[in-house]
Amino acid sequence: QQQVKQSPQSLIVQKGGISIINCAYENTAFDYFPWYQQFPGKGPALLIAIRPDVSEKKEGRFTISFNKSAKQFSLHIMDSQPGDSATYFCAANTGFQKLVFGTGTRLLVSP
Amino acid sequence: GAVVSQHPSRVICKSGTSVKIECRSLDFQATTMFWYRQFPKQSLMLMATSNEGSKATYEQGVEKDKFLINHASLTLSTLTVTSAHPEDSSFYICSAIFQGQGAEKLFFGSGTQLSVL
Repeated sequence: QQQVKQSPQSLIVQKGGISIINCAYENTAFDYFPWYQQFPGKGPALLIAIRPDVSEKKEGRFTISFNKSAKQFSLHIMDSQPGDSATYFCAANTGFQKLVFGTGTRLLVSP
Repeated sequence: GAVVSQHPSRVICKSGTSVKIECRSLDFQATTMFWYRQFPKQSLMLMATSNEGSKATYEQGVEKDKFLINHASLTLSTLTVTSAHPEDSSFYICSAIFQGQGAEKLFFGSGTQLSVL
């Protein structure tokens, strides 16, 4: 119940395209859903986060879509750029920032 | 944003030695920090929650005598891998809770790559 399932494992998108990464969870007590970006040899950096009372949140080229009834949320990267090539992790937690991470998606944006 | 500094970024040690990794919150106080372990191309696995002034809380399956955590001040937590062995080789990452501007956010250090020979 503590798992967060993430797909796809890897993704190749052409420059300018839309990258879509999906996550699903079981624990209805989760109330905070962040997305992190990680470059090789570096720690994760917070990209964008959403709470379950909102169905969508947009920050620049990054959008989170949240479907509470389906217990799913997704990250959309619009106008994907080569610099977006990284590993992306979804996560979920209950209150105190003790996060459960998804398995990660390696995104490659081809020039 | 808040900065979490982790040191060293990379360490190579001989089997049987102990290694200390430091995690500092540079511009804020963090009563709670977390330690994670990440194997290549895998997700982050929470090892323990570090609380200032009290004992760390370890996740199931993590040996507390193997991975010593000390959170002696509001800006510093340390993870000591005792009697390291090759199977302890991994990427270790810390994070700290930043409380401010009406919200809580989690910031990560840049990680420490441990290689045990």
